[in-house]
Amino acid sequence: DTGVSQDPRHKITKRGQNVTFRCDPISEHNRLYWYRQTLGQGPEFLTYFQNEAQLEKSRLLSDRFSAERPKGSFSTLEIQRTEQGDSAMYLCATMTANTGELFFGEGSRLTVL
Amino acid sequence: AQSVSQHNHHVILSEAASLELGCNYSYGGTVNLFWYVQYPGQHLQLLLKYFSGDPLVKGIKGFEAEFIKSKFSFNLRKPSVQWSDTAEYFCAFKAAGNKLTFGGGTRVLVKP
Repeated sequence: DTGVSQDPRHKITKRGQNVTFRCDPISEHNRLYWYRQTLGQGPEFLTYFQNEAQLEKSRLLSDRFSAERPKGSFSTLEIQRTEQGDSAMYLCATMTANTGELFFGEGSRLTVL
Repeated sequence: AQSVSQHNHHVILSEAASLELGCNYSYGGTVNLFWYVQYPGQHLQLLLKYFSGDPLVKGIKGFEAEFIKSKFSFNLRKPSVQWSDTAEYFCAFKAAGNKLTFGGGTRVLVKP
């Protein structure tokens, strides 16, 4: 158990619906990352928070995607008007200071029908 | 653009065979390098990392990796694999900034 919790683990939705994923980090980790992983690919960076500040966002990320970390603890990733291409595993990972080691959660698998 | 290339998508070998997985990155400056492993049904976890110093780094479970700066490479090795090493292996690097960039992964199947 890495200590990074993600919810839900699986989500099936219809195209056009909105979905939200939650990540609860290891408590002392101030850096939180969201990645997306599709079958046969490595994790692709989406966005990064240091405490409550969103410091970096992938230029490839559609404006249908938004992430928050309101109090510098848990984070949410919302996808609006989902498309079939959004089907993927959404991974949350956290890091303390600048150790460089990412601790990953189990991921939230999204299937868009 | 920053990227990581892993040469083999799939590797199949027998127990006790030696393993070497290739990894090359594209970035001209200082990098931190990582290998992550994902066992079947489990989350990604760190195998080893290189920040500075001795370019030969040792990780968990008998794995090691060598950073060759002139070749922009960080290949992973294990002299004698076990069935339990069946997993997907990801190379990653961090340049300026705070994000890790991952390669596409190599699936390793070790036959008993």
